[in-house]
Amino acid sequence: GESVGLHLPTLSVQEGDNSIINCAYSNSASDYFIWYKQESGKGPQFIIDIRSNMDKRQGQRVTVLLNKTVKHLSLQIAATQPGDSAVYFCAENRGSGGSNYKLTFGKGTLLTVNP
Amino acid sequence: EPEVTQTPSHQVTQMGQEVILRCVPISNHLYFYWYRQILGQKVEFLVSFYNNEISEKSEIFDDQFSVERPDGSNFTLKIRSTKLEDSAMYFCASSWASDEQFFGPGTRLTVL
Repeated sequence: GESVGLHLPTLSVQEGDNSIINCAYSNSASDYFIWYKQESGKGPQFIIDIRSNMDKRQGQRVTVLLNKTVKHLSLQIAATQPGDSAVYFCAENRGSGGSNYKLTFGKGTLLTVNP
Repeated sequence: EPEVTQTPSHQVTQMGQEVILRCVPISNHLYFYWYRQILGQKVEFLVSFYNNEISEKSEIFDDQFSVERPDGSNFTLKIRSTKLEDSAMYFCASSWASDEQFFGPGTRLTVL
């Protein structure tokens, strides 16, 4: 069936290290992917997105890589800081066409940054 | 910076009661959404709304649920007769087009 899922439920890194969070998707027709960060008690916060006509996109300290061949998405966070500790969700923008878009979220990876 | 707001932050209700969750989307956005997140689980899509009508809904969004945009600023989710399993965080989101969706802080609904 169609799904968006994450490889690891938890990731623990040292402050200053780089973090890599992975995500797999199964719908080859998906054309838009987003990474969200969710801190405890808050709503998902947009980090970065990528469309299927790209394989890499960079933001401030974050990079998203898209490998359409293996249907894999990753989020790289450079120089991870304690404030990066949160649950990270990949989401697939999967609508019924036209202007109807809904997000299908993966389960989430809990990132813990140790000082 | 514009943001999506939601009220109340926490709603406690008895099973069978009606609840209305309120959202104020970002003012120039055209697309509105409701999602829910049961404790410890992933965020699930409920419904999307555009041009004053539902554009897509999930199987979760059954006849007990309804949405409304009563004026130019509010977007509401009504649950007609709450069940225990409706207990969750409910997130409203909005977007300008088929791009980044901005999420509100959520309403925690507890059904007793």
